[in-house]
Amino acid sequence: AQSVTQLDSQVPVFEEAPVELRCNYSSSVSVYLFWYVQYPNQGLQLLLKYLSGSTLVKGINGFEAEFNKSQTSFHLRKPSVHISDTAEYFCAVSPFSGGYNKLIFGAGTRLAVHP
Amino acid sequence: DAGVIQSPRHEVTEMGQEVTLRCKPISGHNSLFWYRQTMMRGLELLIYFNNNVPIDDSGMPEDRFSAKMPNASFSTLKIQPSEPRDSAVYFCASRLGQRSYEQYFGPGTRLTVT
Repeated sequence: AQSVTQLDSQVPVFEEAPVELRCNYSSSVSVYLFWYVQYPNQGLQLLLKYLSGSTLVKGINGFEAEFNKSQTSFHLRKPSVHISDTAEYFCAVSPFSGGYNKLIFGAGTRLAVHP
Repeated sequence: DAGVIQSPRHEVTEMGQEVTLRCKPISGHNSLFWYRQTMMRGLELLIYFNNNVPIDDSGMPEDRFSAKMPNASFSTLKIQPSEPRDSAVYFCASRLGQRSYEQYFGPGTRLTVT
């Protein structure tokens, strides 16, 4: 079985400051990793994904994440946030499987960017 | 291109009434997912269809919930009878194929059962 832990339920930060949203996962098999963003009153949108290759992946809106296999982590970072980054961020994993690539989501981290 | 379309966007109903939520996946996508989002339980997968066939319905809470996908461009999630604890945001998502990984989410239906 797989599980995803997002260590912070809320992260307040000032505009133009750096931010890191933490994600750890547990799995007995190899997984693919994702970050999704949910803006208020909208559905989820894929921010970035790690399938293979370089452990540092870049996504939309200046976000990046680093896969650390030994620490089973996939933390999301942005060097300078904007007010428009205020949203809920979800980390998700998908175990390698024969065909059914199910997404298991964390509980979410609410990022609040203040002026 | 149109994304995943869900209707209605908001639904308010009384306990005991039947509720039907609708979803139109992205054209060409053959995998479809229904999720429920609540403050207490977060995002939960309810059911997954591939090529219109239900593959995993282990997340469906109880017999009051049912989902159908009569064709590749339409799916419904029905709750009968509805209860206040069903109040949540219900999302539909579609995916290009079983071996693809990116799911595209609709805007959701906010259901309130009074």
